[in-house]
Amino acid sequence: ETGVTQSPTHLIKTRGQQVTLRCSSQSGHNTVSWYQQALGQGPQFIFQYYREEENGRGNFPPRFSGLQFPNYSSELNVNALELDDSALYLCASSLSGGASDTQYFGPGTRLTVL
Amino acid sequence: AQSVTQLGSHVSVSEGALVLLRCNYSSSVPPYLFWYVQYPNQGLQLLLKYTSAATLVKGINGFEAEFKKSETSFHLTKPSAHMSDAAEYLCAVNPRSGNTGKLIFGQGTTLQVKP
Repeated sequence: ETGVTQSPTHLIKTRGQQVTLRCSSQSGHNTVSWYQQALGQGPQFIFQYYREEENGRGNFPPRFSGLQFPNYSSELNVNALELDDSALYLCASSLSGGASDTQYFGPGTRLTVL
Repeated sequence: AQSVTQLGSHVSVSEGALVLLRCNYSSSVPPYLFWYVQYPNQGLQLLLKYTSAATLVKGINGFEAEFKKSETSFHLTKPSAHMSDAAEYLCAVNPRSGNTGKLIFGQGTTLQVKP
């Protein structure tokens, strides 16, 4: 059974650019959640996708957007990058997105904005 | 708003000693509670979770946690620390409202294990 995978592993961008991060969910899971983890902090919830629809959003501006595809893989897009967007971006998949479901995390994408 | 507090950003124990990592939540309705471990440059791995069954929850690698409603706490313990336990430990809650998988995390506690 393949776990949650994310690409790329590391990414360096400059302020104002746009970035796309990718996530493949665990087999059998239809829900993907995205989190931002700044250095020394706990992860912050960005949004969740359930069966290709956004199902909950955290306190992030609209320049953070996402997609979920029919195979339940997902993308996180960030426009107009700011220095504060430098962080580890974590993707997690779960069976159905329920509140008690275990979320299985990928290794993350480390984004550096210069 | 729901919040999670992990007391102690760094905890240091000797190998073989008791591990106690503290987590308190703020909610009048008991949430679902989770403990995750994060090793350097890796994602999060679930240690255990509380979903309103038994209040004493046993997890992987010898860890356990006890849900105490009166104290709004879900502290993580392990009787005897191993060197391999050195990592970042994150407590998280799901408030249950809205039926989404939104996890609210604490700041994390770095566990150091001394030989």
